[in-house]
This record gives sequence, C-alpha cells and structure tokens, in this order.
Amino acid sequence: TQLLEQSPQFLSIQEGENLTVYCNSSSVFSSLQWYRQEPGEGPVLLVTVVTGGEVKKLKRLTFQFGDARKDSSLHITAAQPGDTGLYLCAGLSKAAGNKLTFGGGTRVLVKP
Amino acid sequence: GAVVSQHPSRVICKSGTSVKIECRSLDFQATTMFWYRQFPKQSLMLMATSNEGSKATYEQGVEKDKFLINHASLTLSTLTVTSAHPEDSSFYICSARLAGGTPSYEQYFGPGTRLTVT
Repeated sequence: TQLLEQSPQFLSIQEGENLTVYCNSSSVFSSLQWYRQEPGEGPVLLVTVVTGGEVKKLKRLTFQFGDARKDSSLHITAAQPGDTGLYLCAGLSKAAGNKLTFGGGTRVLVKP
Repeated sequence: GAVVSQHPSRVICKSGTSVKIECRSLDFQATTMFWYRQFPKQSLMLMATSNEGSKATYEQGVEKDKFLINHASLTLSTLTVTSAHPEDSSFYICSARLAGGTPSYEQYFGPGTRLTVT
C-alpha cells in the first residue's frame, strides 16, 4: 500500500505570511499533483510535477518535486485570504495501477 | 477546457431508496473515470475505477452490489447507491482522465454530490 503523508494537517496564518505544505512518501511516483478544494466543491488541479527536482511556479505558489520523486512541497508567498482551502497532494504510480494516491490533506486558513 | 460536471449537486433521499449520480466530461472524452467518497474534513477515498465499455473495478471494502457503476459512453459515468442507508450519507466526487492520457495521467474532478439519507 502506498501512502502519502501530508504535513501539517492544519495551518492558520495571518495575511501576508508565508507557508509551506509537505507531502512525503517512501514510494516513488511517476508524477505528483497538487489540488485545492473549497468546502462543498470538488478539488481543482493546481499543478502536476513529473521530473525529479522540478520546480514550478504559479503566481505566489511554488511547487517542488523531490529529486527521488518521493516527496513534494507547496510554498505560498504572502498568503491571502483567498488562499484558504484544503490542499491535497496526490501521487501517481504504475505500481498502483496508475491510480492517484491522495495525501490526508492540509487545511489552510489565512486570516485577514 | 477539461470540465467535469456532476448531477445532482445535492440530493436527499429516504432510507431504502436508490439514488443515481451522473458524472459527465463536458469538453473531452474520458476512457477512465473514478468515483471517490469524502467524509467531513478528510481526504478523498477512491471507491472504484470506471472504464468505458467494461465493468468497474472496485477498491477493497467497497460493495459493488451497493454502489453500481455504469460507464456507457466516453463522456458519462453513473454511480447508483442502492438501498441507501444513513451511513451512505457523504460527499461523492467523480473525476475523469483524458482519453489517450497525458504522460502524467491528469485527472479532472467534478464539483461533487452531497448525498443525505434520512
């Protein structure tokens, strides 16, 4: 069974502060996806990282895939209340039948 | 692009009745769709993988006779919760994978269906 551990589970910060969410596993993934989900809605794909060591930026969000493709991080700079939500990482591997393995999620609250 | 819709968005049904939830890929074809269940403040739990024109593959612990899945076309999959009970109340989310798939097998999620069984 492949597991993806996300940390922290919950993060509450003030507007303007930075935050980092981590996603770790002992398994290797062919790709890793980050989603953001708001209450009562489905997850929205933010980014997909494929290559070990890859860094992708999406405005104030920076995503990194570990060199060994076992871990990833999401860093938000100068967080805004609109960044509030549940952040989910999900890894894809052939060993798991090309099905996504989801992390437990990180609930982020950005206070104005 | 890559929009997935679900219908209904909310449904309330009485215990013992069946409920059908539809998942459609609006602007792309999906050979594979997935059904997830999400409990409050938790992550997504995969229930089954739905492949167009073939039987669904269920995850361990998911009753295939209770959660009937049909994937009749490249743009539509349905989940029917049969003989629903209060413990089936949950948020059900589908996702669709592009036919022919990108190397990263990206999935696009529907907005979810809130099922409440009374």
